[in-house]
Parts: sequence; structure tokens; C-alpha cells
Amino acid sequence: GQNIDQPTEMTATEGAIVQINCTYQTSGFNGLFWYQQHAGEAPTFLSYNVLDGLEEKGRFSSFLSRSKGYSYLLLKELQMKDSASYLCAVVDSNYQLIWGAGTKLIIKP
Amino acid sequence: DVKVTQSSRYLVKRTGEKVFLECVQDMDHENMFWYRQDPGLGLRLIYFSYDVKMKEKGDIPEGYSVSREKKERFSLILESASTNQTSMYLCASSTSGQVTGELFFGEGSRLTVL
Repeated sequence: GQNIDQPTEMTATEGAIVQINCTYQTSGFNGLFWYQQHAGEAPTFLSYNVLDGLEEKGRFSSFLSRSKGYSYLLLKELQMKDSASYLCAVVDSNYQLIWGAGTKLIIKP
Repeated sequence: DVKVTQSSRYLVKRTGEKVFLECVQDMDHENMFWYRQDPGLGLRLIYFSYDVKMKEKGDIPEGYSVSREKKERFSLILESASTNQTSMYLCASSTSGQVTGELFFGEGSRLTVL
């Protein structure tokens, strides 16, 4: 079967750095997305990785290792507004999106 | 700003009622999707559409149907609502030809079936 694993919840301190991991076992791989979803709001696109390595976009970076079936989202200089759920999704060999259950990130002052 | 609008943010219906959830996008996107989101589970695809009048079943189509009569509008229909359809329903759209393209989501419709 296909599976995406993310931690259910994480807590971090304002100003700190947090890494949210995502591991996957899917039938094929055609890329990995990260979305952010604030409570009661629509998910919004953060990043897309299809090649190994780190992609940086401001305070957010996303890393992919295809050989390990592993990705992480790195958030630096955390702000209170970063409190949200972070959704990992993999594009499988049929170009269908397989979604993880999401990681709820709680930022404390 | 691109926008996906879902007609109702909150609905309460009774078992057996017919429910319509409507979604409109203003980005001229070809692809539209309906997902449901439940605690502890990833988004699950109900139906999707790549063009007007076209529809494809997703992972959990049972108990649902869809309609796409116009490019900008994609409706989800629950013919006879049941309590296990209590959920958050998310509509999304994306550009054609980019199967790995970004999805634009609506804010969701939270349905409670009593």
C-alpha cells in the first residue's frame, strides 16, 4: 500500500528553527509537495521538490532524498503566524496525489 | 488574486437529505477536485474533472456524485446524506497540463449530518 508518515504534532518556540519530517512509501515518485493550512482556512502551496536536495524560499526550505523516501520542511526564525498544519503530499507513478495526515505545529512565545 | 470560492462554510443536514456543495474558481483552470478532510487522515479525493462535463472517480466516490456544466463551477452532490459523511469538504483547482502543478484550494465546507 501507499503510505505517507508525518508527526502528528510539534511544538517550537518563537524565533527558533523547526524541522518537519515526511517519509513516504509510494508506487513510483513524481514529486513531493508541502502545503500550509491555518486552522479553518484553505491549504496553500509552500513548495514542490522532484530532485534531491534543498530548496530555499525565504524562511522556509524543503529537502528531498528520493533514495531514502524522505523529505523535510525547515522553518527558520519562527513567528507566531507559522502556527498551522503542514501537509506533505507525494505524486505517485499514476500522477495521483497521496496525502499525509499533516503535522500541527504549535509556536509558543 | 486567484480565488476558489465554496458556497457554504458550514452546513447542518439531516440523514437522508440531498446536499449540494458548490465551488467556483475564477482562474480559468481546467482541473477541479473535491476532497474530504478528516482528523488523523490525509486528504482523500472524491471526484475530479479535467474539463467541462467530464468527471473521474477518485479514491472514495461512493455516496457522492458531481456536476461540471461550466468550466468555472464544480458541484458535489450527496444524494442521501449519511452521518459518516460528516466532514470538511475542500474544493481545489489547477492548471491543465501540469499534473504536478500547484493546487488552489477553497476554504472548505464543514458539513454535519445529524
